[in-house]
Amino acid sequence: EDKVVQSPLSLVVHEGDTVTLNCSYEVTNFRSLLWYKQEKKAPTFLFMLTSSGIEKKSGRLSSILDKKELSSILNITATQTGDSAIYLCAASNFGNEKLTFGTGTRLTIIP
Amino acid sequence: DTAVSQTPKYLVTQMGNDKSIKCEQNLGHDTMYWYKQDSKKFLKIMFSYNNKELIINETVPNRFSPKSPDKAHLNLHINSLELGDSAVYFCASSHRAGGAWDEQFFGPGTRLTVL
Repeated sequence: EDKVVQSPLSLVVHEGDTVTLNCSYEVTNFRSLLWYKQEKKAPTFLFMLTSSGIEKKSGRLSSILDKKELSSILNITATQTGDSAIYLCAASNFGNEKLTFGTGTRLTIIP
Repeated sequence: DTAVSQTPKYLVTQMGNDKSIKCEQNLGHDTMYWYKQDSKKFLKIMFSYNNKELIINETVPNRFSPKSPDKAHLNLHINSLELGDSAVYFCASSHRAGGAWDEQFFGPGTRLTVL
């Protein structure tokens, strides 16, 4: 069965710190790895990664996929209180068209 | 303009009742999904529809019945509600024909509480 594991489960840091969130996957016929940010309501799309080693960047957030290690990281630099959220990682595969989600990392930024 | 919208946002009901949740997307997507998020924040796919045709039907009790009147709408009807149905239900959509079925956009969720 396809599986996505995220670590740490929760993280508390001070504003201005840099954080790295981890995601590992076991998915047959892997297609893509996605990151979402979930505050109080809907998960909002951050990145979709399909190629190994190519960093995607959006402001202070960046992410990279390592297909050899079956993992991805999400980096947030100069964290702000608005970054406090649950960050969800999901993997997709060719064939069954389902996203398999991890349990998320709850990030709390202390002012 | 809300891209993916759901109604209602909150639903509190008694065990045994039947209820429906509605979802609409104005993104022009051809595929829509229902997910269930439990108290531990674990998101799990329930159903997906492509152009009104069911393409994913996970192991979900048959008390749950999705209906897609057109590709912009996907409703979820739940019969004989049970305590374990309490969760947040998210609708999502994507553009499968464009090859990007995995880039999914989520609605705000419906928090269902069964008493």
